[in-house]
Order: sequence, then C-alpha cells, then structure tokens
Amino acid sequence: GAVVSQHPSRVICKSGTSVKIECRSLDFQATTMFWYRQFPKQSLMLMATSNEGSKATYEQGVEKDKFLINHASLTLSTLTVTSAHPEDSSFYICSARAPLGLGETQYFGPGTRLLVL
Amino acid sequence: QKEVEQDPGPLSVPEGAIVSLNCTYSNSAFQYFMWYRQYSRKGPELLMYTYSSGNKEDGRFTAQVDKSSKYISLFIRDSQPSDSATYLCAMKSGTGGGADGLTFGKGTHLIIQP
Repeated sequence: GAVVSQHPSRVICKSGTSVKIECRSLDFQATTMFWYRQFPKQSLMLMATSNEGSKATYEQGVEKDKFLINHASLTLSTLTVTSAHPEDSSFYICSARAPLGLGETQYFGPGTRLLVL
Repeated sequence: QKEVEQDPGPLSVPEGAIVSLNCTYSNSAFQYFMWYRQYSRKGPELLMYTYSSGNKEDGRFTAQVDKSSKYISLFIRDSQPSDSATYLCAMKSGTGGGADGLTFGKGTHLIIQP
C-alpha cells in the first residue's frame, strides 16, 4: 500500500515563530500533494494543492504568504506556517495523490498537531 | 447548504451489529467517492474508493453510491469494538488539475459497545 509520513507529529511554539512541517510519500512518487487543516470536531478543510516543480494552488481564504508550500521533489512537500499565532493552532494533515496503479486516490499522513502559545 | 452533509453522531451500536453510515451531497459533478476511518489524533485511513454509482464490497465493508439521489452509504457487518472511530466520507469531481482536492463530510463518530 501507499505510505505517507509527516514530521514532526507534534510541535509547540511561541507566537511569532515559524514552523515547518514535512510530508513524504515513502513508497511512491507523488506529483501532487495536498495540505488540510482540521479543528477539533470539525471536518478536514483543504488548504492548498502542492504540485511538484510549480507554485501551490491555495483555496479561497487561505493566506499564501502565511502558509508557504514547497514541493521540491516527487516525494517531499513542506508547509511552513510563518509568524504563527494561537489561532493557527490546529491539526495539519497532508495527503499524496497515488498514481493510477494504486487507485489514484489520496493517502494521508498521520498529521501534525500544532500548538501556538 | 453545505456541499457534503454527514450526521456527526455519536452512533452507538452493540458488537456484532450491522452499521450503516451515510452522506448526502449537493454537487452533481462529484464522481469519485471515498470512505476514510480516522482514529483520535491520527490521519485518515482509506477504507473504500468507488467511482460513479454502484456497490463495492471489501471484507466486512460495503460501499454504495446512488448518484441519482446524491446519497452514499458505508455498511459494516459484524462490527467490532476496534471499528470504533470517526468515519469520514469524501468525494471529488475529477482526476488531475484543480478538481483533485477532496471535499469531506464532518465525519460520524461510531462507538461499538462490547
């Protein structure tokens, strides 16, 4: 099956600092990765679509200068939350679109819990 | 009206019962339908993936899609306490390009009582 990892699994930071979250597809190449955010008892909300070698596509209402996305290779996408504030505290989950042979659906990482103090 | 509606529950059933989980949606462009299971503080795990209308069975799980009614279901037979989790339906309109992001339901919290 397709495995997606995320690092770190949990991070606590002070308000105003920047936090980088890594998303890796371990056993397949993903030209497209996605970043979601999930608040407690809420559904996953798509933040942006990350395409290898090109700029990310952000959903309406998501600040691209605050949530920097880099998809440097076919197995790695990073999300950097710049100048984090307490309202950015959430569960961030990435997914990678599997190739046709694996059903061309999305496989999710285990998530990163961010707490901004 | 939200694009995808899903009853958040909790839904509590005794062990061994058949569980029925459902979602309705409003966007007729959706063609791909998925069910994910999410344990607390974990990422979603893909359970079922179906395209267009019809049924699909995998072990104890059966997914049904009725595009004419914009209604999808997940059935779990012989439910186990380990099935206790939040079940999220998800759907998308096409493959590739900007339509690839999934639209999720809120998730139904399922509790299987031993």
